[in-house]
Amino acid sequence: EVQLVESGGGLVQPGGSLRLSCSASGFTFSSYAMHWVRQAPGKGLEYVSAISSNGGSTYYADSVKGRFTISRDNSKNTLYLQMSSLRAEDTAVYYCVKSIAVAGFLNFDYWGQGTLVTVSS
Amino acid sequence: DIQMTQSPSSLSASVGDRVTITCRASQSISSYLNWYQQKPGKAPKLLIYAASSLQSGVPSRFSGSGSGTDFTLTISSLQPEDFATYYCQQSYSTLSYTFGQGTKLEIK
Repeated sequence: EVQLVESGGGLVQPGGSLRLSCSASGFTFSSYAMHWVRQAPGKGLEYVSAISSNGGSTYYADSVKGRFTISRDNSKNTLYLQMSSLRAEDTAVYYCVKSIAVAGFLNFDYWGQGTLVTVSS
Repeated sequence: DIQMTQSPSSLSASVGDRVTITCRASQSISSYLNWYQQKPGKAPKLLIYAASSLQSGVPSRFSGSGSGTDFTLTISSLQPEDFATYYCQQSYSTLSYTFGQGTKLEIK
């Protein structure tokens, strides 16, 4: 059974830093691109960041570019999101997501339960 | 980035109704379009991928169509458990998979 378990969320002051982790199990972690998607309270889904299966390629939404860093440790089956210079508008539930390509069409087939990050003084 | 626009933003319907939600891409994305369902307090769930392929375990009352820039999600006969928020997502741009703003489906 595929499981994605996020941790590391919490309350942080504006300008502060936080590192999210996502522990993966039930699949060959090193074979799949992984993603972070966030959802501000009462709002829609925002695609935040992605990393290729070997970590060689990454993507960041403009809203987090230069402040967030995605990484992975395939030996530990763990995905990370290092967040710095946090702003109130970064307050959201952060989901760790696995993707799969079926006949060349990629989709997000498994999601974690999410971890809440609150940026407030 | 490719922009995804859903309509309507919200929709009221009754059990048994046929419902259609539309999604438009800012440029052609072929059939690289996914649909997700999200219930309050839960993570999104994949319904449709590649515009019209039904994810395993998803009821057949859900269907998707379209290609290029215009897509639809149809629920043929609404069930009580279908009241949720629905999101489209493009998977055309490698490692940049933007979502629509969501359509909230409410009980009339």
